[in-house]
Amino acid sequence: DAGVTQSPTHLIKTRGQQVTLRCSPKSGHDTVSWYQQALGQGPQFIFQYYEEEERQRGNFPDRFSGHQFPNYSSELNVNALLLGDSALYLCASSLGSTTLYEQYFGPGTRLTVT
Amino acid sequence: QQQVKQSPQSLIVQKGGISIINCAYENTAFDYFPWYQQFPGKGPALLIAIRPDVSEKKEGRFTISFNKSAKQFSLHIMDSQPGDSATYFCAAKREYTGRRALTFGSGTRLQVQP
Repeated sequence: DAGVTQSPTHLIKTRGQQVTLRCSPKSGHDTVSWYQQALGQGPQFIFQYYEEEERQRGNFPDRFSGHQFPNYSSELNVNALLLGDSALYLCASSLGSTTLYEQYFGPGTRLTVT
Repeated sequence: QQQVKQSPQSLIVQKGGISIINCAYENTAFDYFPWYQQFPGKGPALLIAIRPDVSEKKEGRFTISFNKSAKQFSLHIMDSQPGDSATYFCAAKREYTGRRALTFGSGTRLQVQP
């Protein structure tokens, strides 16, 4: 049973560019959440997708957008990259329709903006 | 505004000792309190979780103590081992539903010396 997978593992971009990160949830899970983890900090919630719609959003600008596909996989897009966007981006999946709210995290994508 | 405060920032414990990490929260609507363990280069992994109607939960060497009136909870790692060396995050979630986002503490870097 595959866990949460993310691609790519590492990414280097230049300030002003755009980036797309990808996530496949754990088998059977239908809800995907994205978090940003700056070095030495705890993960910060970006947004959550369920039934192909953004259901919740944290305190992140509109430069951060996402998408969920019918197979529950998800993408995180960041436009007009800033140096401060350098971080580990984590995807977490869960089964939203139950009261079991354990979230399972992927290994993350390390984004470096130069 | 940081809603979950975690301490200490770092902790050094001898093998066989007890590691204690503390968290305090502000939002009384939080109803689920998990602890995550994160190794370098990996995503956070769920370790143990508790709900506020329980004052203590134990799983193997890991115990959560919860004080609802003080709005505090802590993780105790008994018989700490070098393999426990990792960063630990407490987290909290609002409302009894599967899709709410997690609010994380800032993390505690634990080093268990052999």
